Amino acid sequence: EAGVAQSPRYKIIEKRQSVAFWCNPISGHATLYWYQQILGQGPKLLIQFQNNGVVDDSQLPKDRFSAERLKGVDSTLKIQPAKLEDSAVYLCASSLGRWEAIMNTEAFFGQGTRLTVV
Amino acid sequence: KQEVTQIPAALSVPEGENLVLNCSFTDSAIYNLQWFRQDPGKGLTSLLLIQSSQREQTSGRLNASLDKSSGRSTLYIAASQPGDSATYLCAVFQGGSEKLVFGKGTKLTVNP
Repeated sequence: EAGVAQSPRYKIIEKRQSVAFWCNPISGHATLYWYQQILGQGPKLLIQFQNNGVVDDSQLPKDRFSAERLKGVDSTLKIQPAKLEDSAVYLCASSLGRWEAIMNTEAFFGQGTRLTVV
Repeated sequence: KQEVTQIPAALSVPEGENLVLNCSFTDSAIYNLQWFRQDPGKGLTSLLLIQSSQREQTSGRLNASLDKSSGRSTLYIAASQPGDSATYLCAVFQGGSEKLVFGKGTKLTVNP
């Protein structure tokens, strides 16, 4: 089966510019996650979707970050305007999200997008 | 709030050595725990998943154990190889919130 697809792989922008990342999860996966991973740290959850509804966005800096998952399939994450501290790898992951299989829920990750803000 | 801690932060061993990576978590209300591997500049690759009712899982030279009541998991790597060099991350799938919470990882270097 195809894995989680993300694009672009790399992006360099100047501060105050805007940028968008795209994610296509594994087919049939209801849950989609966006994580931010700063160098040397573990991934931090930004937003979690269940189908096209938001489950958790408590750590999303909403003044500059936005995300959507139209039709409950692929998703975009946008930053506008970018700051230097947004330099990180942005990871997308998906899981089945079925309650009856919740104990065995396994998350699968894409290759990530490395963002550099200069 | 769930907190996941991984010790040590970095580990360097000679090839062929058996080693143990540690992961601890503060809230035992979890559905499962996953161990991931991350190569530089790459995404995360799932290695093992242990359900909260299980004690251990094995895959090849890897063995992961889980003691949910004490909030601990270990990843045992047998006969380490230079190709095992990577960062290893553990993550707990949190009950209730259904969030996947990560530790900061252990950077492993296996020297030939």
